[in-house]
Amino acid sequence: GAGVSQSPSNKVTEKGKDVELRCDPISGHTALYWYRQSLGQGLEFLIYFQGNSAPDKSGLPSDRFSAERTGGSVSTLTIQRTQQEDSAVYLCASRPSGGSGANVLTFGAGSRLTVL
Amino acid sequence: GNSVTQMEGPVTLSEEAFLTINCTYTATGYPSLFWYVQYPGEGLQLLLKATKADDKGSNKGFEATYRKETTSFHLEKGSVQVSDSAVYFCALIDGGFKTIFGAGTRLFVKA
Repeated sequence: GAGVSQSPSNKVTEKGKDVELRCDPISGHTALYWYRQSLGQGLEFLIYFQGNSAPDKSGLPSDRFSAERTGGSVSTLTIQRTQQEDSAVYLCASRPSGGSGANVLTFGAGSRLTVL
Repeated sequence: GNSVTQMEGPVTLSEEAFLTINCTYTATGYPSLFWYVQYPGEGLQLLLKATKADDKGSNKGFEATYRKETTSFHLEKGSVQVSDSAVYFCALIDGGFKTIFGAGTRLFVKA
């Protein structure tokens, strides 16, 4: 696609429910990142996928958070048993593996999660 | 571990004022450095970048110079406009290709 697509754009859920957030990166981009942006806060790194390598999960805040990337393309971030502190905007970004833009991230518009 | 520290905001300036937003980093090796910008209601986008020491990135009147000796990448603009009001993020990409962001600095420019 032309850009990084994320869905849903907004999600309101009740505490304790599971949620899935989807990211469709730019076609051909081998690297995919998930970040979390809480109100008034910076960007918190969550997880990074690069090609077929094992993902860097060092930023996942708890074992309630998991992510997968199928076929080297679409990624799903899953939050189980959501808590109110999970409320944030979840941003996905992708980048190519080579060329002049190799290290530049292209971000999606984000998925705003509100946990009641 | 690698990290990015940038000045806290918000920064409030009058139109045509000079802007500096400080950014320092801690990293092993030789990271590439970036400034990203988030305009109100929009997603993050690259503003400028520098890939090695003494490189100067520039775009839309903004500049930043990669200073290895002071581990800094300060963002400057000689004359800000109301349309520059946004949140600015300093970032680095490390040897593992993980991009690390600073906390962001919100800029308000008054007419």
